[in-house]
Amino acid sequence: EAGVAQSPRYKIIEKRQSVAFWCNPISGHATLYWYQQILGQGPKLLIQFQNNGVVDDSQLPKDRFSAERLKGVDSTLKIQPAKLEDSAVYLCASSLWSVRANYGYTFGSGTRLTVV
Amino acid sequence: AQTVTQSQPEMSVQEAETVTLSCTYDTSESDYYLFWYKQPPSRQMILVIRQEAYKQQNATENRFSVNFQKAAKSFSLKISDSQLGDAAMYFCAYSPSNSGYALNFGKGTSLLVTP
Repeated sequence: EAGVAQSPRYKIIEKRQSVAFWCNPISGHATLYWYQQILGQGPKLLIQFQNNGVVDDSQLPKDRFSAERLKGVDSTLKIQPAKLEDSAVYLCASSLWSVRANYGYTFGSGTRLTVV
Repeated sequence: AQTVTQSQPEMSVQEAETVTLSCTYDTSESDYYLFWYKQPPSRQMILVIRQEAYKQQNATENRFSVNFQKAAKSFSLKISDSQLGDAAMYFCAYSPSNSGYALNFGKGTSLLVTP
């Protein structure tokens, strides 16, 4: 099966500019996650979608970050305006959903964002 | 707060030898899953092994096995017969049912495999 697709692979922007990342999950995966991985750290959850509804966005800096998942498939994560501390790898992951279906997740290859 | 601690920033092992990576977690939940993920330089997170908290039997996947100590909240990964391709960052992750099974990751352990 096709994996989780993410684009772009790399992005360099100046601070205060805006940027958007795109994720296409595995077909049929109802749950989609965006993680932020700062260099030298483990990934941190930003937002979790179940179909096109938000399950958890408690760690999303809502003053500058926004995310949507239209029609419960593709998702876009946006940063506006970007700060230097937003430099990180942004990982998208998807999984099947059920009460007990925690068989792990399929991750994309991520987008490496550098803010200068 | 639910936290995952990996106390070994770096580990080194010779090819064909065995290495154990440590992980502890803090939780008050009883229903959760634990994972080990491998992240090579390509950045893609690859599932190594998973463990359900309600199962006492330790999970095993070929050369990879875990030592799950629920009371001690410990979840270590043993890699047997290490191969050069095992070199990567390894992340321990905790996934409770009360958070929609989102993953909480440790800071990772960098594994170096020497010939």
